[in-house]
Amino acid sequence: GQNIDQPTEMTATEGAIVQINCTYQTSGFNGLFWYQQHAGEAPTFLSYNVLDGLEEKGRFSSFLSRSKGYSYLLLKELQMKDSASYLCAPRDSNYQLIWGAGTKLIIKP
Amino acid sequence: EAQVTQNPRYLITVTGKKLTVTCSQNMNHEYMSWYRQDPGLGLRQIYYSMNVEVTDKGDVPEGYKVSRKEKRNFPLILESPSPNQTSLYFCASSVHSIGQPQHFGDGTRLSIL
Repeated sequence: GQNIDQPTEMTATEGAIVQINCTYQTSGFNGLFWYQQHAGEAPTFLSYNVLDGLEEKGRFSSFLSRSKGYSYLLLKELQMKDSASYLCAPRDSNYQLIWGAGTKLIIKP
Repeated sequence: EAQVTQNPRYLITVTGKKLTVTCSQNMNHEYMSWYRQDPGLGLRQIYYSMNVEVTDKGDVPEGYKVSRKEKRNFPLILESPSPNQTSLYFCASSVHSIGQPQHFGDGTRLSIL
């Protein structure tokens, strides 16, 4: 079956760095997306990885290892507005996104 | 402004009363999808459409219908709503191409009493 594993909740301090891990098992693989979702709002696109390695986008970076079925999202210089859920979503062989339950990130002052 | 528009945003209704949630996108996207989101479960796909007149079941299609008569619209129909369909619903669209992200509507919160 297809499966996504992310920590349910993480806590970090404003100004710090946090890494959110995601392991996945899918039928085929066509890239992996990370989305941010504030409570009660729509998910918004953060990053996309299709090849192994690190993609950097300002304060956010995302890493992919296809052989390990593993990705992480790295958030630097944390701000209070980064308090949200972060959703890992690999795309399977049918180009459908497989969604994890997400990681709720709590930022403390 | 490029967007996905859902209506209504909030609805409280009763069991068995047919309802339709509309979804419209102005980005000429081929792909559209409906999800429901429940606490602790993440996004679950209800139906999706690769293009006009093409629809397919997702993971949780029971109790729902969709249609794709025009490229921009993808309504979600609940013929006989039940309390277990109380949820937060999202419509999304994308270009059907590798690496293109899905764009989400603002969501519709349905309560079925």
